[in-house]
Amino acid sequence: DIQMTQSPSTLSASVGDRVTITCRASQSISSYLAWYQQKPGKAPRLLIYKASSLESGVPSRFSGSGSGTEFTLTISSLQPDDFATYYCQQYNSYSTFGQGTKVEIQ
Amino acid sequence: QVQLQESGPGLVKPSQTLSLTCAVSGGSISSDNYYWSWIRQPAGQALEWIGRISFSGSTHYNPSLKSRVTISIDTSKNQFSLKVSSVTAADTAVYYCARGPSGTYHQYWGQGTLVTVSS
Repeated sequence: DIQMTQSPSTLSASVGDRVTITCRASQSISSYLAWYQQKPGKAPRLLIYKASSLESGVPSRFSGSGSGTEFTLTISSLQPDDFATYYCQQYNSYSTFGQGTKVEIQ
Repeated sequence: QVQLQESGPGLVKPSQTLSLTCAVSGGSISSDNYYWSWIRQPAGQALEWIGRISFSGSTHYNPSLKSRVTISIDTSKNQFSLKVSSVTAADTAVYYCARGPSGTYHQYWGQGTLVTVSS
């Protein structure tokens, strides 16, 4: 099974900050990685697929990079609507999610 | 745009079988371009992929749940279903259905339904 490890688990930031979340895979997954945003009581929302492709309708301040085993999600300028929990997901072999990163107000 | 809606009992007794259905609207479930998945999330915890099915009935399951899970599809009703047998309190979670391009990410999600396992 492929394990996904996100860091940090919690991140405190302010509006306007540049934020980076890291996701590491236990083995190479090429670029088969997606990122999701989830707000309390809501279903996850797809942000990024294939490591760096922006889903339609997602603001351009979100970007993804990486390949192999190490990936990052970057929010270039944090907005009030971005305070949420973020998950990575590998789909190289079935589907596995990371444990999540909560972005909270500093 | 495709929409998904989960339905089923909100309370299941231990050792019984959990059964949920996902109704699909705004698009046909009979497309060979997509897989239809079930994902769950215990309160305050991470997402866990349960399994997926194609329109032709091809299934893949999370190895940790495979022995207790069955996913099926009903193209005539444009819906797919989940059964989890021998449930325990550890199966208490919000259950989501989702659609994604074949064997990949999950692009569209239902709103989720809470299932509690308790006597």
